[in-house]
Amino acid sequence: EVQLVQSGAEVKKPGESLRISCKGSGYSFTSYWISWVRQMPGKGLEWMGRIDPSDSYTNYSPSFQGHVTISADKSISTAYLQWSSLKASDTAMYYCARHGQWLDLDYWGQGTLVTVSS
Amino acid sequence: EIVLTQSPDFQSVTPKEKVTITCRASQSIGSSLHWYQQKPDQSPKLLIKYASQSFSGVPSRFSGSGSGTDFTLTINSLEAEDAATYYCHQSSSLPHTFGQGTKLEIK
Repeated sequence: EVQLVQSGAEVKKPGESLRISCKGSGYSFTSYWISWVRQMPGKGLEWMGRIDPSDSYTNYSPSFQGHVTISADKSISTAYLQWSSLKASDTAMYYCARHGQWLDLDYWGQGTLVTVSS
Repeated sequence: EIVLTQSPDFQSVTPKEKVTITCRASQSIGSSLHWYQQKPDQSPKLLIKYASQSFSGVPSRFSGSGSGTDFTLTINSLEAEDAATYYCHQSSSLPHTFGQGTKLEIK
């Protein structure tokens, strides 16, 4: 069974750093791209970027380029989303999702809620 | 960046009704259009991939059609459990983008 299990909810202060994770299981982790998707409270889905876990090649949305970093450790089948300096506007639910054959997002993690507040 | 515009934004429907949600792309995306269902406090779930291919385990009342710039998600004989927000997503070019969502309310 394909599963993506994300790390737990986080509460942080503005300016702090954070890394959240997404662990894949039940499939060959290096064979499928992983994307990260943001959902701000009460809002729609926003594509942030993706990574090829086989070589850690990444693409970012211009809206998120320079503010987040996507990485992966294929030895432990885990992808990461990282901030070096959080803002209150980063408060959101973050989902990881696996890309299928047609670059659809066929399996999703359960989401990680990030709250940034002073 | 390709903009996806869904219509309607909100629809209130009765069980057994047929529902049609449309997604229009700002430029041609071939068939690289996918549909998701998100229920409150849940992760999105893939319904339809590549415009018209049903994902494994999805009820047969859900179907998709279209190519180029105009796409449709159809729900035949709506059930109460279909109350959710539906999103389209294009993977034709970077950055990937989503439609703004269509919220279905069951009367």
